[in-house]
Amino acid sequence: GAVVSQHPSRVICKSGTSVKIECRSLDFQATTMFWYRQFPKKSLMLMATSNEGSKATYEQGVEKDKFLINHASLTLSTLTVTSAHPEDSSFYICSARDQRRDSYNEQFFGPGTRLTVL
Amino acid sequence: GNSVTQMEGPVTLSEEAFLTINCTYTATGYPSLFWYVQYPGEGLQLLLKATKADDKGSNKGFEATYRKETTSFHLEKGSVQVSDSAVYFCARTATGRRALTFGSGTRLQVQP
Repeated sequence: GAVVSQHPSRVICKSGTSVKIECRSLDFQATTMFWYRQFPKKSLMLMATSNEGSKATYEQGVEKDKFLINHASLTLSTLTVTSAHPEDSSFYICSARDQRRDSYNEQFFGPGTRLTVL
Repeated sequence: GNSVTQMEGPVTLSEEAFLTINCTYTATGYPSLFWYVQYPGEGLQLLLKATKADDKGSNKGFEATYRKETTSFHLEKGSVQVSDSAVYFCARTATGRRALTFGSGTRLQVQP
């Protein structure tokens, strides 16, 4: 149980286009999902917290108009990178919390999406 | 604040050697502590966790003990294998928040 999927696994796009990344909890309901960004050989940096049915909470320095997050259901959150530029190239990882296991604050991670902007 | 510090890598060991990866955290609140592992080309997987002081998390031969007095959660394994080669991340829950704060990651390379 507690499987999180991401789609696509990798995407290459031209500068100026928008890219949507999906994060799904496959066998549990996730009231909260998180979006992280991982730079090469670096740690994960939290971008935003996605709450089902409400607006996402963005970390300081993350442009909410550039990284649009929608959490329309208990099993799906999407991250849209708008007007992508080469500096947006990165590995984007989502995670989800299983509300049934809330006491441990455990998060389950998706396999990540590698975005390359040409 | 909420921060996690772990030893820089890469750590290179021979097969069957003893492994220690140090991790310390800032002593704010009562965090849960985690070790995640990221194998090449894959996403993060939870390796083990501990939710309160003196708890010991263990999985696949790896162990880590929640030490409140030293604010540490060092990862250990008695005999590493080539298949353990990966990047290991120490993490804690952030005080008052649901997100995790990660250490910078430590790359482990095990040679046959």
